[in-house]
Amino acid sequence: DTEVTQTPKHLVMGMTNKKSLKCEQHMGHRAMYWYKQKAKKPPELMFVYSYEKLSINESVPSRFSPECPNSSLLNLHLHALQPEDSALYLCASSPGVLGETQYFGPGTRLLVL
Amino acid sequence: AQSVTQLDSQVPVFEEAPVELRCNYSSSVSVYLFWYVQYPNQGLQLLLKYLSGSTLVKGINGFEAEFNKSQTSFHLRKPSVHISDTAEYFCAVTIKAAGNKLTFGGGTRVLVKP
Repeated sequence: DTEVTQTPKHLVMGMTNKKSLKCEQHMGHRAMYWYKQKAKKPPELMFVYSYEKLSINESVPSRFSPECPNSSLLNLHLHALQPEDSALYLCASSPGVLGETQYFGPGTRLLVL
Repeated sequence: AQSVTQLDSQVPVFEEAPVELRCNYSSSVSVYLFWYVQYPNQGLQLLLKYLSGSTLVKGINGFEAEFNKSQTSFHLRKPSVHISDTAEYFCAVTIKAAGNKLTFGGGTRVLVKP
């Protein structure tokens, strides 16, 4: 089983709203990732959690706040977003931190009005 | 730092014809190599990967890729495509046995025509 689940599938929010994206995996993977993907572009890495600790933050604006409550769950809290933040947000996980295969979820399509 | 170049941004191909998607990478250290497929409005699905061993790698849906270290390439092939292969294809690398930063190429859009 190589399934990563993400909720919600779609999200529309205003610039003053607070919302959260959720990602879950039950493969025992110890690394989890958030990516942002704009149309017709490859995914861009935002954050990496290794063993439940934030290990990489790719200079993402503070209006995006990641959280890893446990080894199976990864959240992305959104606050005061801008219309240019509209994108597909992908979660991924990998067994460890040595360059192993990353398995992606279906994504959350976010529209900021 | 590593980089990945996918030489074709779009590849139109007729149904049942063969297709090859080209991928070249640049790295000063050994890498792991991956091909992912993204169907419209979906996430990324792993097609195949090269970690070590045989340089010819077989993946899902009839795809295969060959790792060529001297040419730093990892081209993806399928001998006969279907309409359902219409998708975006991404080549990606990570540093072998170190770090977990996945570097993507720009993607190749495959459009299969009947």
